[in-house]
Amino acid sequence: EAQVTQNPRYLITVTGKKLTVTCSQNMNHEYMSWYRQDPGLGLRQIYYSMNVEVTDKGDVPEGYKVSRKEKRNFPLILESPSPNQTSLYFCASRKTGQVYGYTFGSGTRLTVV
Amino acid sequence: SQQGEEDPQALSIQEGENATMNCSYKTSINNLQWYRQNSGRGLVHLILIRSNEREKHSGRLRVTLDTSKKSSSLLITASRAADTASYFCATDPYNTDKLIFGTGTRLQVFP
Repeated sequence: EAQVTQNPRYLITVTGKKLTVTCSQNMNHEYMSWYRQDPGLGLRQIYYSMNVEVTDKGDVPEGYKVSRKEKRNFPLILESPSPNQTSLYFCASRKTGQVYGYTFGSGTRLTVV
Repeated sequence: SQQGEEDPQALSIQEGENATMNCSYKTSINNLQWYRQNSGRGLVHLILIRSNEREKHSGRLRVTLDTSKKSSSLLITASRAADTASYFCATDPYNTDKLIFGTGTRLQVFP
């Protein structure tokens, strides 16, 4: 089944403890992106990647890092999480070259205490 | 930056009625997309309309796009309780590699 897989689904952590949220897609999509969703603010893009080793900042990149060493994986790294990073995170992917909709993962609900 | 603004923020209707949601955006776009999200779950792509298209249909969905007014509407005909979800418009602006989402419309369909 074609899908975007995020792990974990739920995560509670403490301020300052480094964490990684993984994202993997099995559709050979070039483009991958991370969003966070907060009440009243909708979805905001954190980082995106056009292809392997090509990443760029979205609208809210502060406090986050990403890497794209392989086409299928696009992990989101929080080096020193803070409570304002408590949010629902989504990874998404799509093919490039033509106009396509995005495929989203099921989300990761992160709580930083 | 938020590109799309949906209207209304929330909508409650009875099964069988039609639901109309509107989206306004700010910049020139390549295309506009609509997504559905069940509570706390991932977004599901519903339909995409290109900037040179004015109307598109998919099953019970009808999307219109007016680039002169920078607005779009999503019509769900003969709604069902299973259509209860949040609906988001998302724009693909010119000269960017981003998809920018609005804040969504919460649709509740009562049996």
